[in-house]
Amino acid sequence: EPEVTQTPSHQVTQMGQEVILRCVPISNHLYFYWYRQILGQKVEFLVSFYNNEISEKSEIFDDQFSVERPDGSNFTLKIRSTKLEDSAMYFCASSDWGISNQPQHFGDGTRLSIL
Amino acid sequence: KNQVEQSPQSLIILEGKNCTLQCNYTVSPFSNLRWYKQDTGRGPVSLTIMTFSENTKSNGRYTATLDADTKQSSLHITASQLSDSASYICVVSGQAGTALIFGKGTTLSVSS
Repeated sequence: EPEVTQTPSHQVTQMGQEVILRCVPISNHLYFYWYRQILGQKVEFLVSFYNNEISEKSEIFDDQFSVERPDGSNFTLKIRSTKLEDSAMYFCASSDWGISNQPQHFGDGTRLSIL
Repeated sequence: KNQVEQSPQSLIILEGKNCTLQCNYTVSPFSNLRWYKQDTGRGPVSLTIMTFSENTKSNGRYTATLDADTKQSSLHITASQLSDSASYICVVSGQAGTALIFGKGTTLSVSS
């Protein structure tokens, strides 16, 4: 069964450094998403992406965050100047349509640790 | 404020027993409600999706119900197995967009 894959599985970065989290969505999917889950808390929506542009973003997704689909297969989340509170599990997801009743398929996440 | 609340926070049951997990939401407007299973260290996996017009949906031993009037949902697990040990998350989609609003989850432990 097709899967969403995320790399790396664990990223350790110094505060203030830039970090790029990578995702390969399911190949025929058109909508892409990033979520984060701070340890012990609920999963939170960050951003959705369709047709090479952001379709929706949350209050969390401020100017330090950006997303990009640099080629036909990868989808990346960049955090420009990391803060301690950015430490979390970051999940990428994809769906074949953005219609609300379509399932979103999640990767297994990247654990980001900011020191 | 759009919120999804789940109960209980955690649950321990014996293998072979049934259990029911609860979800209440205040999301409006409402498009659909989903149940996800999240194993430790893994991403969430979709179990069911129900729109406001659907009352019940099954996926194997998992049966979800929805009452859109009272804004409540439940997930019933039949004949539990050790592999059912996981966090079960109720997720609601509002009509405005594609963003999903997550509950905090119920942690289910099935013991032998």
